[in-house]
Amino acid sequence: SQQGEEDPQALSIQEGENATMNCSYKTSINNLQWYRQNSGRGLVHLILIRSNEREKHSGRLRVTLDTSKKSSSLLITASRAADTASYFCATVPFSGGYNKLIFGAGTRLAVHP
Amino acid sequence: KAGVTQTPRYLIKTRGQQVTLSCSPISGHRSVSWYQQTPGQGLQFLFEYFSETQRNKGNFPGRFSGRQFSNSRSEMNVSTLELGDSALYLCASSGLAGGSSYEQYFGPGTRLTVT
Repeated sequence: SQQGEEDPQALSIQEGENATMNCSYKTSINNLQWYRQNSGRGLVHLILIRSNEREKHSGRLRVTLDTSKKSSSLLITASRAADTASYFCATVPFSGGYNKLIFGAGTRLAVHP
Repeated sequence: KAGVTQTPRYLIKTRGQQVTLSCSPISGHRSVSWYQQTPGQGLQFLFEYFSETQRNKGNFPGRFSGRQFSNSRSEMNVSTLELGDSALYLCASSGLAGGSSYEQYFGPGTRLTVT
């Protein structure tokens, strides 16, 4: 079963707007990662944030992590039509996780021109 | 560097048959993980191999098995196929040397349809 939940399940915005997706998880983690998937294809790694980090930036992406609330958010600024995809958060368990990614249900983002 | 490759890309099998999927990781990567993606259950971890050893396993029945070869290429096998095994099977490789995990690089997946 999945580690946690993501919300919203679907998000529809106009180009240029910001998109925020949230993720909650249940157990202690080593790190949390965000991935993007276009139309049932392979996943593309976006950003990794470790359990001792609170915020991380990469280009138009900003990720926050609150381990006390077991939650994370992904902000995409100035969205483009090419950002249309499904976005997944994935956690790696604190102990013995190695490369075991536990995925959330994902958020389907649609960016309209 | 070439990315993660998976073969075949599409497969149609009949209930009761078995299937073998192949994954070639990025050159130099020693860790290979497998995931199943379905509309109902989402993305679920199957197992991970590192240096030819299964290091982690998800909650799947014994019909799902895998192995890794000395060149890090991996195969997964599903025996006695059921309709519910229809899914996108994703393989991912990672370049970690050991210990804490890093980002994973995913292949395009194998779409398995069981009829």
